[in-house]
Amino acid sequence: DAGITQSPRHKVTETGTPVTLRCHQTENHRYMYWYRQDPGHGLRLIHYSYGVKDTDKGEVSDGYSVSRSKTEDFLLTLESATSSQTSVYFCAIREGASGNTEAFFGQGTRLTVV
Amino acid sequence: DQQVKQNSPSLSVQEGRISILNCDYTNSMFDYFLWYKKYPAEGPTFLISISSIKDKNEDGRFTVFLNKSAKHLSLHIVPSQPGDSAVYFCAATGSGNTGKLIFGQGTTLQVKP
Repeated sequence: DAGITQSPRHKVTETGTPVTLRCHQTENHRYMYWYRQDPGHGLRLIHYSYGVKDTDKGEVSDGYSVSRSKTEDFLLTLESATSSQTSVYFCAIREGASGNTEAFFGQGTRLTVV
Repeated sequence: DQQVKQNSPSLSVQEGRISILNCDYTNSMFDYFLWYKKYPAEGPTFLISISSIKDKNEDGRFTVFLNKSAKHLSLHIVPSQPGDSAVYFCAATGSGNTGKLIFGQGTTLQVKP
């Protein structure tokens, strides 16, 4: 299994509070991604990173920010959590950007905003 | 605007028969397509991929077909087994160094014994 760990695995938070999810990898892969999974929407890309301090927006980036200060960690922050951000969040890593480079996913973080 | 679409939310087939999962895309810059499989409470795992320069790629019971002119691809599973019951996601990525990987909505496959 690829060395990718998400923390926390479950979290319940209140509307309006900031929340940070962590993705940690031990593979030294360059690319890291944050997705959210929702019924009827599948996996939607929030933000991704193509190197330390290099990040870009995905399909649903509003209300989220990310940081990558070192290769192994990619943090996702919900600046002020809303109920619409209740979801399962997945982190993924890829060694390169070529099309045949598969992505490896973490186990997911289930976030509930009440 | 969803760039990768899986219009069938669910599919049910009998064990031993063929399962066909479909995927459409809108962005002509996509040049590589991947299929992922996901079991409940687990992260998705890679299944099979295809480059846009090919129209078919086979790996055991799994075959992916690409129709570039129609911007359509399909995953065939033959024969289907109960252990194949899962959510299947189609994904696409484009050339260049951005590495952006876009997924569809997923199709839940149920294979009945």
